[in-house]
Amino acid sequence: AQSVTQPDIHITVSEGASLELRCNYSYGATPYLFWYVQSPGQGLQLLLKYFSGDTLVQGIKGFEAEFKRSQSSFNLRKPSVHWSDAAEYFCAVSNAGNNRKLIWGLGTSLAVNP
Amino acid sequence: ETGVTQSPTHLIKTRGQQVTLRCSSQSGHNTVSWYQQALGQGPQFIFQYYREEENGRGNFPPRFSGLQFPNYSSELNVNALELDDSALYLCASSPAQGAGELFFGEGSRLTVL
Repeated sequence: AQSVTQPDIHITVSEGASLELRCNYSYGATPYLFWYVQSPGQGLQLLLKYFSGDTLVQGIKGFEAEFKRSQSSFNLRKPSVHWSDAAEYFCAVSNAGNNRKLIWGLGTSLAVNP
Repeated sequence: ETGVTQSPTHLIKTRGQQVTLRCSSQSGHNTVSWYQQALGQGPQFIFQYYREEENGRGNFPPRFSGLQFPNYSSELNVNALELDDSALYLCASSPAQGAGELFFGEGSRLTVL
């Protein structure tokens, strides 16, 4: 069955520290992979996506993610976290077709200490 | 460029009632998807509409139905509301030729009492 696992429900980091959010997927076909961020009272915003090519993808707000097919992972990273990064982060996967049905992880809640 | 807008933002219904949620897609987008996000969960795919036709459906009962209009706006209707229908309902639009990227509205928060 297709699934996305985000092992960390909640993470707390200090401002300025580095961040890595984990995402593992189970998908039979070639996956399209996404990271979205959801702030309180806001909709979901796309941080970055991977379809093919270079396995290290750059996104908005200084985020990057690396696709590792051998580990079925797509971890999100940021070298220096800002207080405004506190939010809920979701990893999602879809097939390479056009129906845009995304399968989502449960999310990781990020808190940032000053 | 106007983004995805949803209405109402919040509403309260009682069990057994019916609800209609509305979504205006982003300019130039002809595909609309609906997701249900329960508290503390990731979004769950309800269905997608493309050019006024349902084009994919998740594991939701028939009392969840939808429409897409010629201007690509969309409605989500839920009949015979149950307590478990309480959730944030998210609408997302995408351009037909886009490869999987969805643009989300801020959602409609439904509470069923």
